[in-house]
Amino acid sequence: QVHLVESGGGVVQPGGSLRLSCAASGFTFSHFGMHWVRQAPGKGLEWVAFVRYDGSNEYYADSVKGRFTISRDNSKNTLSLQMTSLRAEDTAVFYCARDLRVGGYTLDHWGQGTLVTVSS
Amino acid sequence: DIQMTQSPSSLSASVGDRVTITCRASQSISRYFNWYQQKPGKAPKLLIYAASNLQSGVPSRFSGSGSGTDFTLTISSLQPEDYATYYCQQSYRTPFTFGPGTKVDI
Repeated sequence: QVHLVESGGGVVQPGGSLRLSCAASGFTFSHFGMHWVRQAPGKGLEWVAFVRYDGSNEYYADSVKGRFTISRDNSKNTLSLQMTSLRAEDTAVFYCARDLRVGGYTLDHWGQGTLVTVSS
Repeated sequence: DIQMTQSPSSLSASVGDRVTITCRASQSISRYFNWYQQKPGKAPKLLIYAASNLQSGVPSRFSGSGSGTDFTLTISSLQPEDYATYYCQQSYRTPFTFGPGTKVDI
């Protein structure tokens, strides 16, 4: 079955950088677009970024554009999110999710999340 | 950006109740619309996609309807495992915005 496992979260100082990874298994990774979504403590869901199945297109939320970069390595079934210039308001659980490929951009399977804390 | 609003923000209901949650988009999104369920400490789970399609494995007591700007999630007979927060999401245009959530509790 579809399995997504995020890693790379932790505590980072404001202005710092962090790279998140998402290991995918149980499906043909190279056939599916992938998303990152975050959730600040006690808050709702915020879509962060999307990359097409072949890495040819990327979309970002305005709140992270220019600071975050989504990428993928289809040979390693891995999705990444490089985060730079981190701010306190980036503190959140970050989820990777697979795109359903039906009905627009729908997130049909999610990982368990990894916590990023931006604090001095 | 397309804004999503949900009502109510929270509700209390009993087992067996019929529960309805609504979501409105700030502009027409056709049927590019989804519902998710999230339990505390867990990842969200897709319930309904393309406004009315039940995701595989989701109980048939969940149903969705609507198109354009107004959408509805209905739980026909609330079960104990349905106590959770429900989010809507538009999948029409980036950024793929979520609604603020509706918390369903006892």
